[in-house]
Amino acid sequence: NAGVTQTPKFQVLKTGQSMTLQCAQDMNHNSMYWYRQDPGMGLRLIYYSASEGTTDKGEVPNGYNVSRLNKREFSLRLESAAPSQTSVYFCASTSGASSGANVLTFGAGSRLTVL
Amino acid sequence: DAKTTQPTSMDCAEGRAANLPCNHSTISGNEYVYWYRQIHSQGPQYIIHGLKNNETNEMASLIITEDRKSSTLILPHATLRDTAVYYCIVRVADAGNMLTFGGGTRLMVKP
Repeated sequence: NAGVTQTPKFQVLKTGQSMTLQCAQDMNHNSMYWYRQDPGMGLRLIYYSASEGTTDKGEVPNGYNVSRLNKREFSLRLESAAPSQTSVYFCASTSGASSGANVLTFGAGSRLTVL
Repeated sequence: DAKTTQPTSMDCAEGRAANLPCNHSTISGNEYVYWYRQIHSQGPQYIIHGLKNNETNEMASLIITEDRKSSTLILPHATLRDTAVYYCIVRVADAGNMLTFGGGTRLMVKP
């Protein structure tokens, strides 16, 4: 049982290049999230998908797009990378049950450097 | 969301209990208290959560004051592997709800 899998683990881009971070979960979770974490800082929510077919902006959505491809997969795209997007990106998922507390399961992270 | 206040850093001796406080004085009646931790640069890991009552699991205990305005996470016998940043988060439990992570407490367990 892999949980939440992110690819790639490391990536170096030049300013203006584009790329997509992939995230897949095998826990049959309904809700998925993308966070970024800058050095020495807490996590900030970029986008989330409460359920398959829906996506919403988080705290810092500018410069990103997302796609909820199916229930398992939630991708994050940088159309024109900027040095300010150098960060570690974490994908997370939760069952999204309407009752009870939601507990997030996180992936191992994708470390992105934009030169 | 109710905001939380945590100390920036704490030290604890190996084998002793680590008590991490969190203030959430504006918490609403339907908001849960969650604790996560992040070891080095790994993805955050869920520890425990609670609404009103004290909770215990294999990792930790969560003590919530009667007025719910503060809580304490207790690691009963801290080990070096418990060195991490610990996040206290307060949030309602909705479908599609997301958690907002603040700065957390950096716990250093020392030999």
